[in-house]
Amino acid sequence: EIVMTQSPATLSVSPGERATLSCRASQSVSSYLAWYQQKPGQAPRLLIYGASTRATGIPARFSGSGSGTEFTLSISSLQSEDFAVYYCLQYKNWPLTFGGGTKVEIK
Amino acid sequence: EVQLLESGGGLVQPGGSLRLSCAASGFTFSSYAMNWVRQAPGKGLEWVSVISNSGDSTYYADSVKGRFTISRDNSKNTVALQMSSLSAEDTAVYFCASGNLGYYMDVWGKGTTVTVSS
Repeated sequence: EIVMTQSPATLSVSPGERATLSCRASQSVSSYLAWYQQKPGQAPRLLIYGASTRATGIPARFSGSGSGTEFTLSISSLQSEDFAVYYCLQYKNWPLTFGGGTKVEIK
Repeated sequence: EVQLLESGGGLVQPGGSLRLSCAASGFTFSSYAMNWVRQAPGKGLEWVSVISNSGDSTYYADSVKGRFTISRDNSKNTVALQMSSLSAEDTAVYFCASGNLGYYMDVWGKGTTVTVSS
């Protein structure tokens, strides 16, 4: 099983600032990496797939990068609606595995 | 509008069984794989199972293998998760989510809550 590790667990950021979230895989997943945003009481929402492709309707302030074992989700200028928990998902191998999540909170 | 609607959650005793269902609308259901993903209270996401668009391929997380069975009915646009030998560790919100087999999930339902307790 591929283990996905996200850091930090919590990120405190002021509105308008940049946020950088990390996701590391225990072995290469190539670019088979997706990012999700989840707000309390809601289902996850797909942000990024293929490590760097934004899903339909996702604002350009969200960007993904990386390949192999190291990945980054960047939010260029945090808006109030961006404060949430973010998860990475590898879909290179079965079982699909999620990272533990990064909570982005208001500083 | 693309929509997934889960049902069937509830309170069940340890060792019991429960069947979850997910009804799809707004897209060509038979073209997509369907997944179940769960989230224990206050915890992260855990992928549970997937069934291919035709139903001839299924995969399970080790934590549920042998206890859970996924199935689908393309004539009714539904996917089901039959859960047995339930324990407290299975307590979670269960989401169904669509995508291509072996790929990310792009459409999610709102989830249904399963509580295993005596």
